[in-house]
Amino acid sequence: GALVYQYPRRTICKSGTSMRMECQAVGFQATSVAWYRQSPQKTFELIALSTVNSAIKYEQNFTQEKFPISHPNLSFSSMTVLNAYLEDRGLYLCGAREGGYEQYFGPGTRLTVL
Amino acid sequence: GEQVEQRPPHLSVREGDSAVITCTYTDPNSYYFFWYKQEPGASLQLLMKVFSSTEINEGQGFTVLLNKKDKRLSLNLTAAHPGDSAAYFCAVSGSNNRIFFGDGTQLVVKP
Repeated sequence: GALVYQYPRRTICKSGTSMRMECQAVGFQATSVAWYRQSPQKTFELIALSTVNSAIKYEQNFTQEKFPISHPNLSFSSMTVLNAYLEDRGLYLCGAREGGYEQYFGPGTRLTVL
Repeated sequence: GEQVEQRPPHLSVREGDSAVITCTYTDPNSYYFFWYKQEPGASLQLLMKVFSSTEINEGQGFTVLLNKKDKRLSLNLTAAHPGDSAAYFCAVSGSNNRIFFGDGTQLVVKP
């Protein structure tokens, strides 16, 4: 079956430092990968959508300078939160799909910023 | 872009009662819809996915209705039990492959 793994599951970083998180697709080819953030007590905001052979598209309020994303192959993507501050804390979800419309979500990386 | 509005934000029912959560969306080109459950501290659990060609989908203990004319999607838990207590999110997807989530509903089912 199709599975999505995310690493790490939980992480803590100091304010002003950076944190890299990874997303691995198993059992299918992740032609597109979307990254979401759920801030405390809020919904899931789309950060950016990465499609193989296309430019990564960032949503309003999110930039490549702050959330650089790598999608080097059909099974892996990573995103870094640069210069993290308190408002960046939350659950970061990776959603991957293989061409169709069903998106498989990973368990998320929970980021705490001290 | 797509706007998804979910109501109510909080819902408290007694065990055995029904619980209805509704989402409205704005993009008429949306055609793939999801309901997710999120337990405290956990990630998303897919409850149901609905194509725009179907109007009623039934799962275990719940029904999903899609009204394309009104751009409305609803989740009806027919006989709620305490294990259903969680946050529920609708999500909507269209031709641009982006998925947009509702703001969530915090459901509490009291024994």
